[in-house]
Order: sequence, then structure tokens, then C-alpha cells
Amino acid sequence: KAGVTQTPRYLIKTRGQQVTLSCSPISGHRSVSWYQQTPGQGLQFLFEYFSETQRNKGNFPGRFSGRQFSNSRSEMNVSTLELGDSALYLCASTPQGKDEKLFFGSGTQLSVL
Amino acid sequence: GNSVTQMEGPVTLSEEAFLTINCTYTATGYPSLFWYVQYPGEGLQLLLKATKADDKGSNKGFEATYRKETTSFHLEKGSVQVSDSAVYFCALSDGGYQKVTFGTGTKLQVIP
Repeated sequence: KAGVTQTPRYLIKTRGQQVTLSCSPISGHRSVSWYQQTPGQGLQFLFEYFSETQRNKGNFPGRFSGRQFSNSRSEMNVSTLELGDSALYLCASTPQGKDEKLFFGSGTQLSVL
Repeated sequence: GNSVTQMEGPVTLSEEAFLTINCTYTATGYPSLFWYVQYPGEGLQLLLKATKADDKGSNKGFEATYRKETTSFHLEKGSVQVSDSAVYFCALSDGGYQKVTFGTGTKLQVIP
């Protein structure tokens, strides 16, 4: 069974641009969640989707948004990029999304210049 | 809100040394507790979990016991190997929809 796949692996953008990250969960997993990982803050929860609905959201500004498609694939968008958005963005999937083991992808490393 | 506090790293140990990484948490109710490990260039992977008080999670020689009275979930291993070098994250889930709260991570370096 293929694992969680995130694309692209690396991204370099400039301030003010927008970016879209993609996540394909493990086959059969309907819950996808996103985390931002930085050296100073560790992992911070962005949001969680299940069956195309956002069920939970972390404390991030509205510039961070996401969506999930009918095949459970998810995208995350960040608009008007700031230097502080430089981070590793991790996607995780689970079958139902409740108290279960998270299966993580390798992440997308975003650098904002 | 929920929070997880881990000991600061990095932790440097010689091969075959005993490992303890401290983790304490703050949460309402009865959360599930986890340890995840991240190897260089990879995402996190679950190392072990415990879902109720006094449960002991174990995997690959690592152990952690859910201590409700001290709100702790310390990670231990009797004899570390070079291949255990990684970043270790303590985490909790309060039963909400996958809003897992992570500690800041503890980097472990094991030297031969």
C-alpha cells in the first residue's frame, strides 16, 4: 500500500506570492490533516478534513486555507506569503480521524524569500 | 487549552546507554498519548501509544507509561543504538477530530 504522498518536495517563493501544496492520503483513508513544522514552534495543527468537510481548524490566519476532494486528496493554499511562512508542511492521514495513529508524508519544505 | 512539554534537547548518548526523555501534558478529560519519531528528511512515524491511565506503550525496545497522577508520559529505552538517532515528539489527542497537540521535539544523537 502506498504511503502518504506530498508534492512538491521543495518550494521556493517570494513574499506576496501564493502557493498550493498537495497531499494524497493512503488509499481508504478519509481524514487528512495538515501541520506546520518550524524549529522554534515545533508542529502546529492547521486543519483537518473528512469527506470534503473541514472539521477542525487551528489558530492560523485566513491566508491559510485548504480543501479536500471526493477522492480524499487534499490541497493546502497559502496566499500573500510572508517570510514567517517558511516551514516544513506535513500532511497526515487516518481512516476516520479520531484518536488514531497518524500516517505522515515526508512533507513539503517551503522557503519564502 | 491542551499542551505538551518535553525536555529540551539535544540529548547526546553513547551507544548502549539508558535513555529517558521527559514529557508532561495538560489536557481536559482523558487524552490518548503518543510518541512519534522523525528521522532526517522524513515525516513523523508513530513509535508507541497509550489510551488510558496506567497503560504502557512499547515498540522496538522503547516504553512509556501513561501516568495520570503526574500527567506524564516519559519515553525510556534500556540500551540505545546509533540507529535511534532522530527527533522524538510527545503528543496527545483529546478525542477531537485529529487535532493532535505535539511537544516541540527532542533531538537524540547516539554516538558509537
